[in-house]
Amino acid sequence: DTGVSQDPRHKITKRGQNVTFRCDPISEHNRLYWYRQTLGQGPEFLTYFQNEAQLEKSRLLSDRFSAERPKGSFSTLEIQRTEQGDSAMYLCASTSRENEQFFGPGTRLTVL
Amino acid sequence: QQQVKQSPQSLIVQKGGISIINCAYENTAFDYFPWYQQFPGKGPALLIAIRPDVSEKKEGRFTISFNKSAKQFSLHIMDSQPGDSATYFCAATHYSGAGSYQLTFGKGTKLSVIP
Repeated sequence: DTGVSQDPRHKITKRGQNVTFRCDPISEHNRLYWYRQTLGQGPEFLTYFQNEAQLEKSRLLSDRFSAERPKGSFSTLEIQRTEQGDSAMYLCASTSRENEQFFGPGTRLTVL
Repeated sequence: QQQVKQSPQSLIVQKGGISIINCAYENTAFDYFPWYQQFPGKGPALLIAIRPDVSEKKEGRFTISFNKSAKQFSLHIMDSQPGDSATYFCAATHYSGAGSYQLTFGKGTKLSVIP
């Protein structure tokens, strides 16, 4: 399978714990996006990487969130001190072009 | 501020019928308009996309109609099948100036195709 993969697919955590998600983009794609999708809504942009550089962050990305893309390959998204409002599907998308973003299956986070 | 408005929220169509989903946008800087299909528990999958210099694009049973002056675009699914039952999202994007072409999504339309 050469699509975007994400791990884990599901994560249940208690409020106040830290969580980390991983995204493996399509191998030749140098552009990587993170989005968040809450129930009944469309995905919302969180952050963007071109190669290893994080070039853009949304206002949704509070200081409890941090993302990295070491060596321009896989990316991680960490949420510190999780809150119930962080419960959502976290989606990763990659592309080699300006548009045509290809999404992974997402990580569903539930904060108890 | 919701920059892409999508309607209807839900749609029930009989098998073989035409499904029509509409979107309107506000930001005239948008220059790429994709539609995504999402099944429960899955990520969105790119279905078809259009640029504003084209009024219509067709791929198989899926057609996008685009009206630049009205800032509206729509997805038509011909000969709708039960397997088309999913949530459909319209989206729009443009160069942000900071490097990204982040997608702005509508709220989605849940389509149910009944036999």
